[in-house]
Amino acid sequence: DIQLTQSPSSLSASVGDRVTITCRASQSISSYLNWYQQKPGKAPKVLIYAASNLQSGVPSRFSGSGSGTDFTLTISSLQPEDFATYYCQQTYSAPYTFGQGTELEIK
Amino acid sequence: QVQLQESGPGLVKPSETLSLTCTVSGGSISNYYWNWIRQPPGKGLEWIGYIYYSGSTNYNPSLKSRVTISVDTSKNQFSLKLSSVTAADTAVYYCARRLTGDYWHFDLWGRGTLVTVSS
Repeated sequence: DIQLTQSPSSLSASVGDRVTITCRASQSISSYLNWYQQKPGKAPKVLIYAASNLQSGVPSRFSGSGSGTDFTLTISSLQPEDFATYYCQQTYSAPYTFGQGTELEIK
Repeated sequence: QVQLQESGPGLVKPSETLSLTCTVSGGSISNYYWNWIRQPPGKGLEWIGYIYYSGSTNYNPSLKSRVTISVDTSKNQFSLKLSSVTAADTAVYYCARRLTGDYWHFDLWGRGTLVTVSS
């Protein structure tokens, strides 16, 4: 199985901050990497697919980059509604694994 | 618009079989991959497996011996059976749609249903 390691596991930040979350894969996965946002009691929602493509309807303050084994999700200017847990997911090969999550909290 | 809704018992006894159904409304079940994903309370996400509308399946090897996913295209539903459950199978179970194609993602999710394994 391909392991995905996110860092940090939790992060405190303020509205307006620029935030970066990283995801490292245990082997090269090209650009087969998605990012999801999950709020308490809700299903995950895709933000970024294929490493750098913004899902329709997602604000442009979200961006993704990377390929191979190292990926980043960046939020350029945090908004109150962005405080949530973020997961990366690889679709390179089954089983389609997720990172352990990064909980983004209000400072 | 297309919506997914999970249904099934919220409480299952240890060693019994967990059975859930996902109903696809507002659209066709054809031409997509239909997935089950679970999340233990306070923990991360685990992909369980998928079924293509034509019936082909792919399961997570960690659960493969206990999982069966089936589809009923006439009812626009697909189902999950997980046998010999233990407390470790307590989780919110989500159904989700996966797009076809090389670069894909889960673009549509159900709201999730909590299944507790307890006597």
